[in-house]
Amino acid sequence: AQSVTQPDIHITVSEGASLELRCNYSYGATPYLFWYVQSPGQGLQLLLKYFSGDTLVQGIKGFEAEFKRSQSSFNLRKPSVHWSDAAEYFCAVGPYGGATNKLIFGTGTLLAVQP
Amino acid sequence: DVKVTQSSRYLVKRTGEKVFLECVQDMDHENMFWYRQDPGLGLRLIYFSYDVKMKEKGDIPEGYSVSREKKERFSLILESASTNQTSMYLCASTPNKQGGTPSLYFGEGSWLTVV
Repeated sequence: AQSVTQPDIHITVSEGASLELRCNYSYGATPYLFWYVQSPGQGLQLLLKYFSGDTLVQGIKGFEAEFKRSQSSFNLRKPSVHWSDAAEYFCAVGPYGGATNKLIFGTGTLLAVQP
Repeated sequence: DVKVTQSSRYLVKRTGEKVFLECVQDMDHENMFWYRQDPGLGLRLIYFSYDVKMKEKGDIPEGYSVSREKKERFSLILESASTNQTSMYLCASTPNKQGGTPSLYFGEGSWLTVV
């Protein structure tokens, strides 16, 4: 079955510390992978996406993600977290080719940032 | 910038009431979506539309209907609201795009409480 797993429901990091949010997927075809961020009381905003090419992809707000096919993972990273990064982060996987209705979202990881 | 507007941010309705959630996008996108977001469940697709007057069921359509009379507007209708429909509702849109899976542009969400 196709699925996305975000193992960490809640993570707390100190401001300035590095961050890694985990995402594992199970998908039959070549996946198209996304990370979205949701600030409190807001809708979701795209951070980055990956289909092919360099397995390390850069996104907005200083985030990057690395695709590891052998581990079926697409982890999100940031070298130095800012207080404004406190939000919920969603990983999503879907098919290449326009079928946005087939996107599968993870259950989200809520990030808290300590001063 | 793409703007997806959900006119009602916070609603409180009584059980059995008919509820309309409105969504308007200003970028001439062909595709529009309604998701429901619940803690621990991520985003689940309710309905989507690829064209005016066209609708397709998503993963959890029961208890909902939709209307798309104009390209820019996609309405979600709860015919008879129930307490288990208390949730955050997110509207999103995407353009048609050759190749790739276009990213979703989300509205800010509508918080619905059914009492």
